[in-house]
Amino acid sequence: GEDVEQSLFLSVREGDSSVINCTYTDSSSTYLYWYKQEPGAGLQLLTYIFSNMDMKQDQRLTVLLNKKDKHLSLRIADTQTGDSAIYFCAERGDSTLTFGKGTMLLVSP
Amino acid sequence: DVKVTQSSRYLVKRTGEKVFLECVQDMDHENMFWYRQDPGLGLRLIYFSYDVKMKEKGDIPEGYSVSREKKERFSLILESASTNQTSMYLCASSPPAGGTQYFGPGTRLTVL
Repeated sequence: GEDVEQSLFLSVREGDSSVINCTYTDSSSTYLYWYKQEPGAGLQLLTYIFSNMDMKQDQRLTVLLNKKDKHLSLRIADTQTGDSAIYFCAERGDSTLTFGKGTMLLVSP
Repeated sequence: DVKVTQSSRYLVKRTGEKVFLECVQDMDHENMFWYRQDPGLGLRLIYFSYDVKMKEKGDIPEGYSVSREKKERFSLILESASTNQTSMYLCASSPPAGGTQYFGPGTRLTVL
C-alpha cells in the first residue's frame, strides 16, 4: 500500500538552511504536498508540487522532487525561529492523501 | 480563503458519554475528512465523505461514526467514548478528485 516516510527530528540554527526529506511509495501520485503544523494548531498548506515537475520555488521554500527515487525534499532558506513546527509530507491518491508521521523542526537562536 | 472551523478547541468528556465533533467548511467542497493525530503515529484517517449522505471508512473507523446531512457540515460521533479515544481530532475539506486538503484548527479531546 501507500507509505510515506520522514525523519522525525531536525535541529538547525537561526539563519541556516533546513532540508526536510521524505520518501513515498506510490509512483502514480500526481501531487505531493508539504504542510506545516504549529503547536496546538491544525495543518497549514505550505506548498505542493505536481509530479511532472522537478523543482518548485516559493520565496524561502524550495521543493525538489526526484520521481525516479520517489524522494521529495523541502528546503527552507534563512530559517527563522518562527519556522519551528512539525512539517508533514503527503502524497495524493485517488480520493485521499497519505501523510508521513511528520518532522519536528527546532530552530535555535 | 478557505475556512474550516471546528466546534470546540478543547473538550473533556467522561468514559461512556456520546460525543459529537462538528466541522463546517465555507468553500462548497465536496470532500470532507476526519483524522486523529497522536504522538509518534502522525495523522490517521478515520472517515471521509465525498458527498452529502455518503461516507467511506478510513484506516481506523472502529468506535466512530459520521454524519453528513449538509454539504458544508461533517460530524464525527463517538457513540461511547473511551480513554483510548483521547486525541487531537482534525477535520479537513477538499475539492473533488482528491484535491488539496484544507484543515481546521483541531479539537483536543480528553476522555476521563
